Amino acid sequence: DSGVTQTPKHLITATGQRVTLRCSPRSGDLSVYWYQQSLDQGLQFLIHYYNGEERAKGNILERFSAQQFPDLHSELNLSSLELGDSALYFCASSVGPDFNTEAFFGQGTRLTVV
Amino acid sequence: SQKIEQNSEALNIQEGKTATLTCNYTNYSPAYLQWYRQDPGRGPVFLLLIRENEKEKRKERLKVTFDTTLKQSLFHITASQPADSATYLCALGGYNAGNMLTFGGGTRLMVKP
Repeated sequence: DSGVTQTPKHLITATGQRVTLRCSPRSGDLSVYWYQQSLDQGLQFLIHYYNGEERAKGNILERFSAQQFPDLHSELNLSSLELGDSALYFCASSVGPDFNTEAFFGQGTRLTVV
Repeated sequence: SQKIEQNSEALNIQEGKTATLTCNYTNYSPAYLQWYRQDPGRGPVFLLLIRENEKEKRKERLKVTFDTTLKQSLFHITASQPADSATYLCALGGYNAGNMLTFGGGTRLMVKP
């Protein structure tokens, strides 16, 4: 158990809908990172928050947004969903503002868009 | 463009042998490199981190080398076991990699008894 909690584990929704994925980092970790992993692509970095502030953005679609709350949990919002958004979404956490220490990944949320 | 390459073909080895996985990168100047293990449908699990000023790092049966001149890292598992079968991912971070950890596509390792 990495200590990173992601909910829900599975999500099935229709095209055009909006969903929210939730991540609770390990106790004491201030950074949260979101990654997308689809079958034909590796882990793609989406966004990084450190202590409530956005630190880095990857190839995140405009339909996607995220935030980190004062209690350090994070939410990833996906809207106007398309079939191609079906993927595993992982969050990871680390102590500091970068990956210069080990990162802990959650078990992911499997999103299926039908 | 920046690229991280791992052998996309599965590596099949016999139990007890040493598995060696390769990670090559271009147009990066990483401050550190990490290796992760990922089992199907599960999140990556951190294995080792090596910094740019370190040539080699070991942890139990694992060894990582980091050659910033060749832009390559090698990951070794000695005395491999069937339980080592998984996908292994390398990832780069720091400097021009930004405040993110960028992953290679991973290499699937199959250890046969």
